[in-house]
Amino acid sequence: NAGVTQTPKFQVLKTGQSMTLQCAQDMNHNSMYWYRQDPGMGLRLIYYSASEGTTDKGEVPNGYNVSRLNKREFSLRLESAAPSQTSVYFCASSPNSNQPQHFGDGTRLSIL
Amino acid sequence: RKEVEQDPGPFNVPEGATVAFNCTYSNSASQSFFWYRQDCRKEPKLLMSVYSSGNEDGRFTAQLNRASQYISLLIRDSKLSDSATYLCVVIRMDSSYKLIFGSGTRLLVRP
Repeated sequence: NAGVTQTPKFQVLKTGQSMTLQCAQDMNHNSMYWYRQDPGMGLRLIYYSASEGTTDKGEVPNGYNVSRLNKREFSLRLESAAPSQTSVYFCASSPNSNQPQHFGDGTRLSIL
Repeated sequence: RKEVEQDPGPFNVPEGATVAFNCTYSNSASQSFFWYRQDCRKEPKLLMSVYSSGNEDGRFTAQLNRASQYISLLIRDSKLSDSATYLCVVIRMDSSYKLIFGSGTRLLVRP
């Protein structure tokens, strides 16, 4: 029972490079989320998808795009990476948007 | 002011101690409440829900005070393995995005 799976677990990029973080859940959840967490700070919501076919901006969407590919998968794309995007990225899912979330184990991203 | 506020700590307590954390929320439309636990460099994990009447799960007790808009988590007989950051989570029903996370309270249990 995998739950929420994120790939890759670690990545180092150069400024200006692009990449996509992948997230998949096998719990048949409707809602999915992307967060970033910086040292000493709480979780900040980047984008979320309340249900398949919808996406909405969260607290810190600038510099990111998302795609809800299907019910299982929700990807996060950095088009032109910047050092300020160095962070730990967590994907989460929940049965619906008013229920507690289950998290993946994170992607540690460093941008040089 | 943040919508969900927690004392960042750290709370440094000896093994066996009882420790309590509070979390205050500002939006009266908040409807459901949870505590998560996050170990260093790991993902947050759901610890327990918080019910209006208060609820207990082993050494952990959660309480809700709607009038004063705060929730609390009490940990009895602290173990070394309880060392972690505890996140307060509030669900509000008046927006499309409903889960609001606090920044967390760090607990260190020493031998």
